[in-house]
Amino acid sequence: DTEVTQTPKHLVMGMTNKKSLKCEQHMGHRAMYWYKQKAKKPPELMFVYSYEKLSINESVPSRFSPECPNSSLLNLHLHALQPEDSALYLCASSQLQGADNSPLHFGNGTRLTVT
Amino acid sequence: EDKVVQSPLSLVVHEGDTVTLNCSYEVTNFRSLLWYKQEKKAPTFLFMLTSSGIEKKSGRLSSILDKKELFSILNITATQTGDSAVYLCAVRNFTSGTYKYIFGTGTRLKVLA
Repeated sequence: DTEVTQTPKHLVMGMTNKKSLKCEQHMGHRAMYWYKQKAKKPPELMFVYSYEKLSINESVPSRFSPECPNSSLLNLHLHALQPEDSALYLCASSQLQGADNSPLHFGNGTRLTVT
Repeated sequence: EDKVVQSPLSLVVHEGDTVTLNCSYEVTNFRSLLWYKQEKKAPTFLFMLTSSGIEKKSGRLSSILDKKELFSILNITATQTGDSAVYLCAVRNFTSGTYKYIFGTGTRLKVLA
């Protein structure tokens, strides 16, 4: 078990559906991340939030919409996805202040299948 | 463009063997290098290296960073079947007012009984 909790664990959605992935951490981390991981590939950064503000968007298509309602929560809203968006979506968090010894902490991921 | 490269891409060894995994990087505003082990789900943290030449050790695993030559190695001695996993190297840099973690391609290790 990790200290970063993601829900749901699995999600199957059609291309016209709207769904959301949720992530929660209570470690007091002020940086939160969304990564996408395809099979046999490394995690690929999508978004970074720092102090609840979007710091980095790695040119992600607008059908993915992140939201950080407070310092513990991170959402990823999904709309009109394509089958090639099927992947493991990983949430992660890390410290910002005094972060020299702070690794990235991952949740267990949401395995998304788009049909 | 920031880049993290791992080698070999995959490796098959027998139990008891020693393996060395490599990670080289070209990253602006480098802060630290991390190693993760990934089995079926989320990557689990192994080491974070910030200073050159200081070995970090945990049981049969050890790692060292060379900031002059821009690489790190992860050693696993007396391998066991439970070491079978993908080992990911990530470099943390500071950009756009925050920390970014850039992952390498990973090394897929299979340990045979």
